[in-house]
Amino acid sequence: DIVMTQTPLSLSVTPGQPASISCKSDQSLLHADGKTYLYWYLQRPNQSPQLIIYEVSSRFSGVPDRFSGSGSGTDFTLKISRVEAEDVGVYYCMQGIEIPPYTFGQGTKLEI
Amino acid sequence: QVQLQESGPGLVKPSETLSLTCTVSGGSISSGTFYWTWIRQPAGKGLEWIGRIYKSGYTYYNPSLKSRVTLSLDTSKNQFSLELRSVTAADTAVYFCAREAEILRRFDSWGPGTLVAVSS
Repeated sequence: DIVMTQTPLSLSVTPGQPASISCKSDQSLLHADGKTYLYWYLQRPNQSPQLIIYEVSSRFSGVPDRFSGSGSGTDFTLKISRVEAEDVGVYYCMQGIEIPPYTFGQGTKLEI
Repeated sequence: QVQLQESGPGLVKPSETLSLTCTVSGGSISSGTFYWTWIRQPAGKGLEWIGRIYKSGYTYYNPSLKSRVTLSLDTSKNQFSLELRSVTAADTAVYFCAREAEILRRFDSWGPGTLVAVSS
């Protein structure tokens, strides 16, 4: 299975300040079809996860543009340009190149 | 807008079978290009993908659970189901059902989750 490693595991940010989360995979997530199958999900407190970024850098429908994703190969980053109160929760990266199974990072808890 | 809702017993005894159902509304599970998926989350821990089923009935399972898991569809009720056999305390978790867009490989809709505890 592909191992996904996130850092940091927790993050405390002042509202209005930026935040950044790193995700590394132990294998390249670049598929032969040219796509890179790296996703970011946010799980707000007591809620189910929701998709925020797909294929490294594409924002899902309704996701604010303060969220951005970048990276390639095995190294990826999620950035929030200006953190807001509603961004609190646990962020997970996930790989979709080698399935089954899909595998997730350990999660990064964002607090304000 | 598709919606998913998990249902099933909240308590299962060790060695018995965990059975959950996901009811889908706002779309048919037998149309479109979607996989119907189960993911679980032990308390305070991360996410574990269990498996997925296509409208044809074709299934993919997490190799770590494959020997104990069966997914199935009931298109007449627009539901899909999870069976996990021979459960232990390690199977205690919140179980989510989700929709995966084929080819896109992303989980774009999730149920709220249901907590299943394994205890005697």
